[in-house]
Amino acid sequence: EVQLVEFGGGVVQPGRSLRLSCVASGFPLGDYAMHWVRQVPGKGLEWVSGISWNSGRTVYGDSVRGRFTISRDNGKNSLYLQMDSLRHEDSALYYCTKDLTTTVTGHFDDWGQGTLVTVSS
Amino acid sequence: DIQMTQSPSSLSASVGDRVTITCRASQTINNYLNWYQQKPGQAPKILIYLASTLPDGVPSRFSGSASGTHFTLTINTLQPEDFASYYCQQTHSTPFTFGQGTRLEI
Repeated sequence: EVQLVEFGGGVVQPGRSLRLSCVASGFPLGDYAMHWVRQVPGKGLEWVSGISWNSGRTVYGDSVRGRFTISRDNGKNSLYLQMDSLRHEDSALYYCTKDLTTTVTGHFDDWGQGTLVTVSS
Repeated sequence: DIQMTQSPSSLSASVGDRVTITCRASQTINNYLNWYQQKPGQAPKILIYLASTLPDGVPSRFSGSASGTHFTLTINTLQPEDFASYYCQQTHSTPFTFGQGTRLEI
């Protein structure tokens, strides 16, 4: 059974940094591209970033490009999101999602339960 | 960026009804369109991909169609477990954008 477990969320001040992690089990992480998608509670979904199976391609949404960095360690079955220069509008539930293939297709067929990030002074 | 315009934002229906949710892309996306269902307190779940293909395990009362940049999700014979939020999403190009969502209520 595919499982994605996110952690690392919390309360952080504007301008500070936070690193999210996602641990995968039930499938070989190295066989799939992965993504982060966020959602303000009660609001819609926003794709944040994606990474191909071998980290050869990384892509970002307009609102986070230059501030967030996605990475992965297939040997540790882990996906990461380094979030720098955080803003109030980055407050959201961050989901780790699995793509359909090794390349970044944007097809999210498995999701974690999310980790909540709150940016507040 | 490709904008996805979804309507309605909310919809009231009853068990047994047939409902339709629409999504329009701001440019051609060649049917690279997914639909997701999200129940309260849960992560989204993929419902339809490539505009009309159902993944294994999704009931056949769900269907999707496409006409140019106009996409439709239809749910036939609503069941109690179908009351949820629904989102369209384009996978034609990055950034992968979602519609605003439709809340389906009793």
